[in-house]
Amino acid sequence: RKEVEQDPGPFNVPEGATVAFNCTYSNSASQSFFWYRQDCRKEPKLLMSVYSSGNEDGRFTAQLNRASQYISLLIRDSKLSDSATYLCVVKRHNNDMRFGAGTRLTVKP
Amino acid sequence: GAVVSQHPSRVICKSGTSVKIECRSLDFQATTMFWYRQFPKKSLMLMATSNEGSKATYEQGVEKDKFLINHASLTLSTLTVTSAHPEDSSFYICSAPISGREPYEQYFGPGTRLTVT
Repeated sequence: RKEVEQDPGPFNVPEGATVAFNCTYSNSASQSFFWYRQDCRKEPKLLMSVYSSGNEDGRFTAQLNRASQYISLLIRDSKLSDSATYLCVVKRHNNDMRFGAGTRLTVKP
Repeated sequence: GAVVSQHPSRVICKSGTSVKIECRSLDFQATTMFWYRQFPKKSLMLMATSNEGSKATYEQGVEKDKFLINHASLTLSTLTVTSAHPEDSSFYICSAPISGREPYEQYFGPGTRLTVT
């Protein structure tokens, strides 16, 4: 079983739609959680950190459920520029990061 | 903001040759850097942890004699792919964390695309 699992998609949604991504992780000792965005043939860039209390950044909302070892990302009012691969990332106790395979999102006009 | 650079951004080499990739932290010191490999449409896979002044820590299944890592200073780590084979063709990305900043964010280099012919 992979340490971080995501639905690979692809998710094809129209502009303005709301889309949700899910992620589960297997290492209960994981310390920190993130969503990264990766555009084609580019390096990943941090989108947002994820906290148990839930956090929001504009149209993006992230949630962590430690008991279920589950992480989510909600994107509201999707824009064309949101098209990318979204990576669920879990940081271990030794500070290395483990990546999910990514969920591909395409927002269409 | 913090920047991590990689050089070269793209390299094509022949089978059997060696290729060195540099990863630099430009405005901060990094005692630890991470090297990842990403195959097309796959996720980033951690290859090794580069430690300044000591040996790198390799992930299971990664040959340390094939992927030589040297972290000679607090701002530079190098990955040398020795005796490259076509199956080594991939996107290699380094990252460096910023100590003391929470959440513990990592900054990624722009990546090096290696093609072995």
